[in-house]
Amino acid sequence: GQNIDQPTEMTATEGAIVQINCTYQTSGFNGLFWYQQHAGEAPTFLSYNVLDGLEEKGRFSSFLSRSKGYSYLLLKELQMKDSASYLCAVGSNTGKLIFGQGTTLQVKP
Amino acid sequence: ETGVTQSPTHLIKTRGQQVTLRCSSQSGHNTVSWYQQALGQGPQFIFQYYREEENGRGNFPPRFSGLQFPNYSSELNVNALELDDSALYLCASSLVLAGGHNEQFFGPGTRLTVL
Repeated sequence: GQNIDQPTEMTATEGAIVQINCTYQTSGFNGLFWYQQHAGEAPTFLSYNVLDGLEEKGRFSSFLSRSKGYSYLLLKELQMKDSASYLCAVGSNTGKLIFGQGTTLQVKP
Repeated sequence: ETGVTQSPTHLIKTRGQQVTLRCSSQSGHNTVSWYQQALGQGPQFIFQYYREEENGRGNFPPRFSGLQFPNYSSELNVNALELDDSALYLCASSLVLAGGHNEQFFGPGTRLTVL
């Protein structure tokens, strides 16, 4: 079966660091994607990991361990505009994306 | 902005009616995927079109159907609408290359409400 788990909600303080975890069990694997989605808007691409390790892109970093079926998204120097839903998605061999339910992050002053 | 456009932005229908949603993919992309996103949930894969052929389908009934045109734009058709079809419908376009990853670019979505 296909299963992707991530926390439903998280709260963090402006300027802090937050880590959003994602675990997955899927029948195929062609990369792990993270998307950001503000309320009422489309998901926007943040990161892609296909090999184990850390990918850094500015304030955002993403980590993958394929053997553990685990990824995390790390957000540094949090800003109020980072309040959004963060979607973990596994790319399948057929090209579709399998999404988790999303983690709603609230950044407080 | 991703260059992917969808129409209409919002739509209200009643149970039993039919609806057609449209998507124009990003220039140069050859693949379109459709997703349904219920409130508070992640997007669920409906189907994907590659070069005008269906290339994979999720767990949706046959009353969900689609088309892709030679210019790679696409339509999603839903017949016999049910209340549970109320959702945000997202179109995503991508360029599928051999050995490449399938980064998908999402349009703004169509918010469908079924009464």
